Amino acid sequence: ETGVTQSPTHLIKTRGQQVTLRCSSQSGHNTVSWYQQALGQGPQFIFQYYREEENGRGNFPPRFSGLQFPNYSSELNVNALELDDSALYLCASSFGQGVKETQYFGPGTRLLVL
Amino acid sequence: QQQVKQSPQSLIVQKGGISIINCAYENTAFDYFPWYQQFPGKGPALLIAIRPDVSEKKEGRFTISFNKSAKQFSLHIMDSQPGDSATYFCAAWGNTDKLIFGTGTRLQVFP
Repeated sequence: ETGVTQSPTHLIKTRGQQVTLRCSSQSGHNTVSWYQQALGQGPQFIFQYYREEENGRGNFPPRFSGLQFPNYSSELNVNALELDDSALYLCASSFGQGVKETQYFGPGTRLLVL
Repeated sequence: QQQVKQSPQSLIVQKGGISIINCAYENTAFDYFPWYQQFPGKGPALLIAIRPDVSEKKEGRFTISFNKSAKQFSLHIMDSQPGDSATYFCAAWGNTDKLIFGTGTRLQVFP
């Protein structure tokens, strides 16, 4: 196990609703990245937080937003849910910017939008 | 330019055989190439990684071969075991702090 935890493990929402997913990073890690993994696909980068600031963003609309807290845990918020938002949402924690070797993934939150 | 192309999509290997998964990239700014293993219901776990100044890296039964001029790299799993059955992702990381993943290869190893 990596020490990265995510909650909840599963979630069912309806179209138009809002959702908040949570991630606790591995001890000593100050960077959290969020990824969306659609069924049968590789993870797609959403954004990254480093020391509570957004540090890079992928091709996701503004209704995907995030937050990082002083203890380096993080939240992913998705507004106005669409059916295509159904996916496994992964967070990965690492230490520092550009330190590629230490990125560890959590088990993910599986979101189903009906 | 930001894509990593992975093949095959699925692979069936007999126990004891060699599993080979291939990836190709275009962006020469990529400078770190990890492979991840993902079991159902779990997040990806780092398996092995290589930098482009090395042509081969071996860790136990897992070997990465890297061809910088062709912009291709591959994962070889020697003596494949049923416990290796999982989805494997190649990935690439460049001068931005994000991993670009391939589309994945579902490996099934039969006894």
